[in-house]
Amino acid sequence: DGGITQSPKYLFRKEGQNVTLSCEQNLNHDAMYWYRQDPGQGLRLIYYSQIVNDFQKGDIAEGYSVSREKKESFPLTVTSAQKNPTAFYLCASNRDRDQPQHFGDGTRLSIL
Amino acid sequence: QQPVQSPQAVILREGEDAVINCSSSKALYSVHWYRQKHGEAPVFLMILLKGGEQKGHDKISASFNEKKQQSSLYLTASQLSYSGTYFCGTAVISNFGNEKLTFGTGTRLTIIP
Repeated sequence: DGGITQSPKYLFRKEGQNVTLSCEQNLNHDAMYWYRQDPGQGLRLIYYSQIVNDFQKGDIAEGYSVSREKKESFPLTVTSAQKNPTAFYLCASNRDRDQPQHFGDGTRLSIL
Repeated sequence: QQPVQSPQAVILREGEDAVINCSSSKALYSVHWYRQKHGEAPVFLMILLKGGEQKGHDKISASFNEKKQQSSLYLTASQLSYSGTYFCGTAVISNFGNEKLTFGTGTRLTIIP
């Protein structure tokens, strides 16, 4: 079955450390997205990519970086510049804007 | 720019109806509706495109009033499985082909037996 796979499910970051969250999809979708969700809050867009080798900043891109070298993969790096990284991170993809976004199961990031 | 959802929370008895509203201050191209259960990924419910068409399946339907930049989600004869947080995501009309969605802060729906 096709879908989106996020790993790891839980991740712990030490102070000053960069960590990378993985997102892989086998749906052949062109667009991919990263969202951050804080307790009791909605989804806030970090970065998105509509085609390979191209991506745009979302509403809260500071302290994060991404790459899109392959259509299937859209990893997110949480850098040490992100001072409050504790959150639930969701990756999504869709074929185009008229199609629903499919979400992965998320990665929960915490600070040690 | 974030759409406003109302109510923020609602508690219903099984079998009652609910309406969740989503309003934007910008001209909308589409509205997406998702439901998220605690600790899980959001699940797609439906998309409404510019044109004001009402969509639905089973006991969940939605409308989109593009003149008012508003959408409403209707849940009839609610079931226990309807519990969760409902989010609307809006895509604005843009000359730059902006494909992103902006999500509201959600409406928490609790169904009790």
